[in-house]
Amino acid sequence: EVQLVQSGAEVKKPGESLKISCKGSGYVFTNYWIGWVRQMPGKGLDWMGIIFPGDSESRYGPSFQGQVTMSVDRSNAYLQWSSLKASDTATYYCARRRRETGTTNWYFDLWGRGTLVTVSS
Amino acid sequence: QSVLTQSPSESGTPGQRVTISCSGGSSNIGRNSVSWYQQVPGTAPKVVMYGKNQRPSGVPDRFSGSKSGSSASLAISGLQSEDEADYYCAAWDDSLKAHVFGAGTKVTVL
Repeated sequence: EVQLVQSGAEVKKPGESLKISCKGSGYVFTNYWIGWVRQMPGKGLDWMGIIFPGDSESRYGPSFQGQVTMSVDRSNAYLQWSSLKASDTATYYCARRRRETGTTNWYFDLWGRGTLVTVSS
Repeated sequence: QSVLTQSPSESGTPGQRVTISCSGGSSNIGRNSVSWYQQVPGTAPKVVMYGKNQRPSGVPDRFSGSKSGSSASLAISGLQSEDEADYYCAAWDDSLKAHVFGAGTKVTVL
């Protein structure tokens, strides 16, 4: 089955570090960009960035540059914080970025179920 | 403040047609394709439209998309109760070098 499986919910204190994961299976993981999307409680979707597992090339959204670090290995993508803040409380989704054949139209065709991160003292 | 502007809510009775609009600019919708995502509360988003009116396998043909200039729309005809969800438009922005999402439109089936 083609799927993205994300790591479980986390509860952390402000200032702590965290690394969450997204494991791809059922397809050639290194052939597709992986994106990360934040959804704060009761709010909309915020694009955080994308990373290409084939060569680790990455692009960060303007609001997230320097705030988080994306990384990958052969079958997993990771999102990492060095010092969490209460405002990082959100659900984080990974999603596969796909290009429509013969075009430059990009979209996210496969999504993980999300990882809820709660940061509270 | 989202780069793409969507109306906060739309509603209709079963069987009606509902249209969700998404307004952007020359650096995003004006140059690039739009994709649309459906999110039922408590679940992950799911793509329902991409490119030039392309529906992924499994998405009913009641869903259709269009684009004109820097605006796009998603129409749901023959509205059904299972269509009640939040809908987000998205596009690549050449100036920001980032994907951008609209703030979402809540569709309610009355």
